[in-house]
Amino acid sequence: AQTVTQSQPEMSVQEAETVTLSCTYDTSENNYYLFWYKQPPSRQMILVIRQEAYKQQNATENRFSVNFQKAAKSFSLKISDSQLGDTAMYFCAFMKQSPGGKLIFGQGTELSVKP
Amino acid sequence: EPEVTQTPSHQVTQMGQEVILRCVPISNHLYFYWYRQILGQKVEFLVSFYNNEISEKSEIFDDQFSVERPDGSNFTLKIRSTKLEDSAMYFCASATGYEQYFGPGTRLTVT
Repeated sequence: AQTVTQSQPEMSVQEAETVTLSCTYDTSENNYYLFWYKQPPSRQMILVIRQEAYKQQNATENRFSVNFQKAAKSFSLKISDSQLGDTAMYFCAFMKQSPGGKLIFGQGTELSVKP
Repeated sequence: EPEVTQTPSHQVTQMGQEVILRCVPISNHLYFYWYRQILGQKVEFLVSFYNNEISEKSEIFDDQFSVERPDGSNFTLKIRSTKLEDSAMYFCASATGYEQYFGPGTRLTVT
């Protein structure tokens, strides 16, 4: 069975600074997807970024980038130039490479961006 | 931009009552899901649905739960006899392939 672990329950960062959120996972699969979802106080789940395990290049989306280390089963999220609107719970999630597959989520990291 | 919608946003019900949570997935999506998030906890998978049948379900999704896509647009989750521990946020999601898009959720409170 796959598991996802986020070891940082809470983090804080000053506005305009950079922060990195950690995620590790366990799987015997070779092909899979990894995601970061953001959940602001409204509790809406918003997809931030996606990484395909077969790609060596780390995914980036504007201020958001990942550090994907397949051998170490590590998938961290870096947020550059943090903004107040980045304050949210961030969930790391795993999905087997199978259309229609389920997402397996970590416990979440609550990020506070301070002015 | 198309989005997943869910109704109601908040449902309060008494223990033992039946509830139906409704979702309208994005129109060209093929895969549909329900997830649950108990307050302060992680998001948990309940069930996935494809081609008018359940693809996979979790241990949580017992005989009290059912899903239906009655008319080609709506996707519903029914809880037949609610328990206190069913109080949670319920999220619907849909996908064409690997990226799942979530609705805003329905907060279910069982008293």
